[in-house]
Amino acid sequence: DAGITQSPRHKVTETGTPVTLRCHQTENHRYMYWYRQDPGHGLRLIHYSYGVKDTDKGEVSDGYSVSRSKTEDFLLTLESATSSQTSVYFCAIGADRAEANYGYTFGSGTRLTVV
Amino acid sequence: EDQVTQSPEALRLQEGESSSLNCSYTVSGLRGLFWYRQDPGKGPEFLFTLYSAGEEKEKERLKATLTKKESFLHITAPKPEDSATYLCAVQAGGSNYKLTFGKGTLLTVNP
Repeated sequence: DAGITQSPRHKVTETGTPVTLRCHQTENHRYMYWYRQDPGHGLRLIHYSYGVKDTDKGEVSDGYSVSRSKTEDFLLTLESATSSQTSVYFCAIGADRAEANYGYTFGSGTRLTVV
Repeated sequence: EDQVTQSPEALRLQEGESSSLNCSYTVSGLRGLFWYRQDPGKGPEFLFTLYSAGEEKEKERLKATLTKKESFLHITAPKPEDSATYLCAVQAGGSNYKLTFGKGTLLTVNP
């Protein structure tokens, strides 16, 4: 989608290796989010950021860390990948102005497979 | 804890056969309820935001309505291109704009 890109789009990695997913936005939004989407669970929040160096945990944060050193970039790191982290990961940017509350704009997703 | 339940999980319609999708929710201080459409292999795409009970919004063949406990997405005379997963989400006041999503309804419209 225009304004938000995720990389890589697909990745296969081995159990126990660290993995970093990148989310880049050009919309200058303060809020950024990482979700995972799994069959039977829907979209679940991993971590989010409300500004540079300001992050907080979501409902499924164990095994994940994030960093935001610039407004435009939000990185998600799987510290030691496990098979349970095989999923589709979505980054989203949020509208933080009441007059433009369309919720989120989502990236195209990263399909991660841990073998 | 905010909760969103969507039903049915899957719905199969014939082209032109109107129906409704349900989203029931519990949230402390609703700031907004959102509907998204998701096509296979893509990220969710925004459809509607509803803010208060009684509100309705329309877009082409879709109409979203909101009560204090649930929202409906009505699909009138659907076409095969309406086939997708429809997601409902709620945003609570003071939540840092976080959204809590339901599991979605997979809609298939047969020609």
